[in-house]
Amino acid sequence: SAVISQKPSRDICQRGTSLTIQCQVDSQVTMMFWYRQQPGQSLTLIATANQGSEATYESGFVIDKFPISRPNLTFSTLTVSNMSPEDSSIYLCSGEDVGTEAFFGQGTRLTVV
Amino acid sequence: GNSVTQMEGPVTLSEEAFLTINCTYTATGYPSLFWYVQYPGEGLQLLLKATKADDKGSNKGFEATYRKETTSFHLEKGSVQVSDSAVYFCALSGETSGSRLTFGEGTQLTVNP
Repeated sequence: SAVISQKPSRDICQRGTSLTIQCQVDSQVTMMFWYRQQPGQSLTLIATANQGSEATYESGFVIDKFPISRPNLTFSTLTVSNMSPEDSSIYLCSGEDVGTEAFFGQGTRLTVV
Repeated sequence: GNSVTQMEGPVTLSEEAFLTINCTYTATGYPSLFWYVQYPGEGLQLLLKATKADDKGSNKGFEATYRKETTSFHLEKGSVQVSDSAVYFCALSGETSGSRLTFGEGTQLTVNP
């Protein structure tokens, strides 16, 4: 099955700054998604990353706060903008192709101080 | 909308004990059901899945049966090992939600020697 490399694996950031998380898949995939896992909670879908067009955001998430790029079928980035301590979470990307199950990157553990 | 409810954790067992983690869901139509596992410091990995009623998913000694009449997908293992210590997530992919996954709250399992 395909493998996603996600980086950075963890970071500690100052409030008010931005962090860009990258996910690279070792093969082309149709769908890519970004999730957030807040401390002690389950995963919540942030958005679907669409290749060559704007991402589709879930309720409660906006492009200004979480801009997403997907320039091709193997790569996507998520930026967490103007960070506050409430953004401290694990962020995960996933990929999925027709007829396959979703597979996940290792996650990025973000701490905002 | 779709939702997944898991039994509250954490769960602590002794090695070789029997494990059950309950999972129930709400969805329209016929969703696909999944169990994902997250080992310490790692991303999510698919453990098993079932795509239609009465299907049984199994992997690494874990099993779960898709029960439409009770809208359940309980995870079971006859004899747990210390290496099974992880967080387990029940999830569904609905007919109308495409590939987007809805996750349960996650259950922390600790197995003591």
